[in-house]
Amino acid sequence: RKEVEQDPGPFNVPEGATVAFNCTYSNSASQSFFWYRQDCRKEPKLLMSVYSSGNEDGRFTAQLNRASQYISLLIRDSKLSDSATYLCVVNSGSARQLTFGSGTQLTVLP
Amino acid sequence: DAMVIQNPRYQVTQFGKPVTLSCSQTLNHNVMYWYQQKSSQAPKLLFHYYDKDFNNEADTPDNFQSRRPNTSFCFLDIRSPGLGDAAMYLCATSKVDTEAFFGQGTRLTVV
Repeated sequence: RKEVEQDPGPFNVPEGATVAFNCTYSNSASQSFFWYRQDCRKEPKLLMSVYSSGNEDGRFTAQLNRASQYISLLIRDSKLSDSATYLCVVNSGSARQLTFGSGTQLTVLP
Repeated sequence: DAMVIQNPRYQVTQFGKPVTLSCSQTLNHNVMYWYQQKSSQAPKLLFHYYDKDFNNEADTPDNFQSRRPNTSFCFLDIRSPGLGDAAMYLCATSKVDTEAFFGQGTRLTVV
């Protein structure tokens, strides 16, 4: 089983749609969780950290379920500029490893 | 201002000719990472440093080596690049248990 698994995608959605990405992780000792966005041929950039209580940043909502070892990202009112690959990233704490999921490609269509 | 700087942005090297990629940071983060990313794949961790403590991933080929002479700098040495080593190499830094900041990457071409 991979350490971090994501929805395979790709997701093609119309502008204005709501889309959700899921991610599971296998290491119960994992400490920190993040969603990164990566545009084609660019470096990953932090979209948001994921906190136990859930957190929201504008159109983006992240949730963490430690019991199920599950992370989600919800994007509301999708914009064309949201088209990118979304990477789930888990920091395994004591091992100080940042492990990436395989990424989910999102294309928002006009 | 860029906080994690990778040089060069593009590197072309000959098959079997040693090459060094560099990374510097102004964040004073104690963890530095090197990732390899091939087309349409997720970044794959090669190794990381926690201060001077070096941690090699089990499946990182011996062909890849790293040096961290001080907090700010980290180097990736590829001793004998093969065609399969062509990829984007990403350097990242973080404090422990926090988000990582990435450099713009070095795109390596092997001819």
